[in-house]
Amino acid sequence: QQPVQSPQAVILREGEDAVINCSSSKALYSVHWYRQKHGEAPVFLMILLKGGEQKGHEKISASFNEKKQQSSLYLTASQLSYSGTYFCGTELGAGSYQLTFGKGTKLSVIP
Amino acid sequence: DTEVTQTPKHLVMGMTNKKSLKCEQHMGHRAMYWYKQKAKKPPELMFVYSYEKLSINESVPSRFSPECPNSSLLNLHLHALQPEDSALYLCASRRRSDREGEQFFGPGTRLTVL
Repeated sequence: QQPVQSPQAVILREGEDAVINCSSSKALYSVHWYRQKHGEAPVFLMILLKGGEQKGHEKISASFNEKKQQSSLYLTASQLSYSGTYFCGTELGAGSYQLTFGKGTKLSVIP
Repeated sequence: DTEVTQTPKHLVMGMTNKKSLKCEQHMGHRAMYWYKQKAKKPPELMFVYSYEKLSINESVPSRFSPECPNSSLLNLHLHALQPEDSALYLCASRRRSDREGEQFFGPGTRLTVL
């Protein structure tokens, strides 16, 4: 079942922060976050596992709330290079190795 | 080598043509995937190969025929496609033994069916 992402789109000025949410009606094993720029392939950002810790590197971090079956991606002090469409991919069971992607959140960072 | 390669980058074909897409990885990943992506939509899973065996076929029409000749190669054979099959076709791979395994995507083949 496809996870629900929100918001659908967001426009930021450089230096502003953003949060993108991904929620599921089913119990999740993992959540994967990807960023895709126009005309390019999705690029892996990070994975959150059931029972795992919040992840992060540089100014991008993510969390996974197992009670709500919701993951959030945090982008702080946004840069122009953060522009793109962000997808969450959810995995239902350990060993399923199958991701279902949300519809995406289009992020535009302007000067 | 942390790369998934795909050929060709672009393909234009008629509805009566037969063509193939190729995907290759040398990371030792034993799970390989084909996705279809239409403009402004998320990647849509088509096939999953696990240890060179087809494990998932997401009700894909038979005009798409996948093949996994060995652990590094994945092909997608195309025959009698329709214009609505025009899309970006993405290949991906993932290490099966790693709980936190990243799924690597190739650059994709942009297919146009005339």
